[in-house]
Amino acid sequence: DTAVSQTPKYLVTQMGNDKSIKCEQNLGHDTMYWYKQDSKKFLKIMFSYNNKELIINETVPNRFSPKSPDKAHLNLHINSLELGDSAVYFCASSRSSVGEYGYTFGSGTRLTVV
Amino acid sequence: AQSVTQPDIHITVSEGASLELRCNYSYGATPYLFWYVQSPGQGLQLLLKYFSGDTLVQGIKGFEAEFKRSQSSFNLRKPSVHWSDAAEYFCAVGAQRGYSTLTFGKGTMLLVSP
Repeated sequence: DTAVSQTPKYLVTQMGNDKSIKCEQNLGHDTMYWYKQDSKKFLKIMFSYNNKELIINETVPNRFSPKSPDKAHLNLHINSLELGDSAVYFCASSRSSVGEYGYTFGSGTRLTVV
Repeated sequence: AQSVTQPDIHITVSEGASLELRCNYSYGATPYLFWYVQSPGQGLQLLLKYFSGDTLVQGIKGFEAEFKRSQSSFNLRKPSVHWSDAAEYFCAVGAQRGYSTLTFGKGTMLLVSP
């Protein structure tokens, strides 16, 4: 029973397309996140949501639009995909917005834009 | 804002030898500190965490880490490395306040030689 699940695991698409990545957590956590891992394995925070409300948006282009229909789900929609969007996107959750217990990560979505 | 430095991009250790991975952080107060491990194609798994109390913390898979405030360090250690420990290791720092997010180091790739 996966704690944080992301779909799809792989996504290959052409430039200019629009795509979505879904994330669900069954841990009862209040806070969810999207991180981007680039080709050099660097992890960078994109968004943070607490109880469905956007808390942090780290200067991400507005082509990226997160949506949280409830506190167990955090989806990421990307418009007009660009080559530079190719990366692995990780969803994560934590018990609280302080994050003192650490985050639980999903297994990632590898996005390739061609 | 907090930051993390992992000075070693990759380290090679013989199986059965001891391991120490270095992590230095920058933050104005006592941070939350974490070590995560990422196997190829996988998400990040929490190894251990520190947020208060005993500065030597034990984690899963036989790992431990020591918080040294005077050196702003949180180095990860294991007395005897197994081939299955080969992976990417990330140190992360979080601020002890609400609505913060974890900042990750650039990772250290551990290679285990027979």
